[in-house]
Amino acid sequence: AQSVTQLGSHVSVSEGALVLLRCNYSSSVPPYLFWYVQYPNQGLQLLLKYTSAATLVKGINGFEAEFKKSETSFHLTKPSAHMSDAAEYFCAVSYGGATNKLIFGTGTLLAVQP
Amino acid sequence: EAGVVQSPRYKIIEKKQPVAFWCNPISGHNTLYWYLQNLGQGPELLIRYENEEAVDDSQLPKDRFSAERLKGVDSTLKIQPAELGDSAVYLCASSSQAGGGSETQYFGPGTRLLVL
Repeated sequence: AQSVTQLGSHVSVSEGALVLLRCNYSSSVPPYLFWYVQYPNQGLQLLLKYTSAATLVKGINGFEAEFKKSETSFHLTKPSAHMSDAAEYFCAVSYGGATNKLIFGTGTLLAVQP
Repeated sequence: EAGVVQSPRYKIIEKKQPVAFWCNPISGHNTLYWYLQNLGQGPELLIRYENEEAVDDSQLPKDRFSAERLKGVDSTLKIQPAELGDSAVYLCASSSQAGGGSETQYFGPGTRLLVL
């Protein structure tokens, strides 16, 4: 079955440090890939998505992600963390077609220490 | 542009009671999704509508869950009767395209259900 794995349910970084959140998918067919952010008691907001164009995707709030087919990965990075980045981050895949739906990972809770 | 609207935001009920959630998608979005998000988990699709047609309800527990989107705009998700295990956040999302897979889904704030 197609799935998404997010390594690390909790990640803690210092303010100003690099943020790296990991996402791997299991499929021989490259999917569409998404990163969403969820702040407490809010819905999910799209950060960025990969749709088979450029492999390095830039999103909102300074985040970016690189699609690596050989590693089946789509890791999310940000050079310098801000306190406002503290939230839960979800990686998701979609394969389109008749069963078009987002398949989400279990999420990574990012804490930013002052 | 207004986002996806959901109500109520919070609901507390006793087990075996019925409950209903309402969603109004972004204007012009013909695809509407209902997701279930358990604590500490990612959302899971319950049902997807293209206009008023439910095109994927394979994950909807049909013995107690039902949904409708009568005029192809807003939608209602119902649980009857509710069980303790239904306590979760119910998210509604909408998108403007269908079938491609690359379209962005826009999420509402969710309804947080607690069943006592």
